[in-house]
Amino acid sequence: GAVVSQHPSRVICKSGTSVKIECRSLDFQATTMFWYRQFPKQSLMLMATSNEGSKATYEQGVEKDKFLINHASLTLSTLTVTSAHPEDSSFYICSARKLNTEAFFGQGTRLTVV
Amino acid sequence: KNEVEQSPQNLTAQEGEFITINCSYSVGISALHWLQQHPGGGIVSLFMLSSGKKKHGRLIATINIQEKHSSLHITASHPRDSAVYICVLIQGAQKLVFGQGTRLTINP
Repeated sequence: GAVVSQHPSRVICKSGTSVKIECRSLDFQATTMFWYRQFPKQSLMLMATSNEGSKATYEQGVEKDKFLINHASLTLSTLTVTSAHPEDSSFYICSARKLNTEAFFGQGTRLTVV
Repeated sequence: KNEVEQSPQNLTAQEGEFITINCSYSVGISALHWLQQHPGGGIVSLFMLSSGKKKHGRLIATINIQEKHSSLHITASHPRDSAVYICVLIQGAQKLVFGQGTRLTINP
């Protein structure tokens, strides 16, 4: 099956710094990529949807200036958490799909802000 | 009312038992995913289906569009099946709606 690679899998950063998470579709061109956030024992919450070459669409309550999403190519999307705070500590997951096909998920990134 | 409801929320069973996880929804969809999330967080897409039934190994997924209901079955369950199973609605081209998940524990 298709593979989505997410990097890094774990990151610890200091409060106030920025962290970039990459999501790559390795063997297909993803027309759409999604970024999710998951708190312990809760389901995934969609943060934003991005289409290659256009601005991301953010869900209500997600700060677009804090969570910068770049979808520069059909195989790469990045999420940058700017000026991270301890409350941003969470599990972030991306998924990628082509139109009318199933979504494939990255392995997730566990972010800890200290 | 949530657009998608999964049941049960938690399920513990003995190795070898037949497992059923249900997903009911109240909106129109183009397809439905079943996902498996392991304790480490990694997610695997098990099935995407828009009608009928699909089978892969010991896993079977069914969907009834008229009744707005889908089920995931696991035959001859094994401790390695222990995970959270998530039903995801696909609406239109892009929108995904996630169920709350079912935490399955299979004891040896």
